[in-house]
Amino acid sequence: DGGITQSPKYLFRKEGQNVTLSCEQNLNHDAMYWYRQDPGQGLRLIYYSQIVNDFQKGDIAEGYSVSREKKESFPLTVTSAQKNPTAFYLCASSTGTSGYEQYFGPGTRLTVT
Amino acid sequence: AQKITQTQPGMFVQEKEAVTLDCTYDTSDPSYGLFWYKQPSSGEMIFLIYQGSYDQQNATEGRYSLNFQKARKSANLVISASQLGDSAMYFCAMTGGATNKLIFGTGTLLAVQP
Repeated sequence: DGGITQSPKYLFRKEGQNVTLSCEQNLNHDAMYWYRQDPGQGLRLIYYSQIVNDFQKGDIAEGYSVSREKKESFPLTVTSAQKNPTAFYLCASSTGTSGYEQYFGPGTRLTVT
Repeated sequence: AQKITQTQPGMFVQEKEAVTLDCTYDTSDPSYGLFWYKQPSSGEMIFLIYQGSYDQQNATEGRYSLNFQKARKSANLVISASQLGDSAMYFCAMTGGATNKLIFGTGTLLAVQP
């Protein structure tokens, strides 16, 4: 079955530690995205990548980093510089730019204490 | 800058009735896309329907239709014959410009009552 996988579903970390969230897709999509969702809020874009080895900052990129070494994979690292890392993180992909719907993974709920 | 506004934090509807979820948007791009997503309690975002800014007709997908009023900058979602499984958060979103970045509204929580 084609789709997007994110692991793990729940993640717990101590403050000051970096943590990497995985996102893999087998849809052969060129573009991939990371969003953050806080309780009672819509999604906000962290980073996006339209092609392998290239990515751009979204609206709230501070304290996060990404890589896009393979078309299928777009991992997100939440660094210790992120002041409020506890949130629900969603990865998405789409076939291209402009007007194409994005398909989302199941999300990772990160809790930092 | 693009912006999506959803003014209904929560809505109730009786099973089998129709419901309209409101969405207004703001953009200076002549070309843009409007989307509705459903988020059940499991958290996954499920794509429902898409409307392009140049589409002449309102989009429909099964029980979902998008009431697109370009002059008023509104893109309301209409769900016909509500089912209990429709209970979820519903997000309106838009894209514009050269990228496919989605801008989301704050969502509407729909509760379908038996």
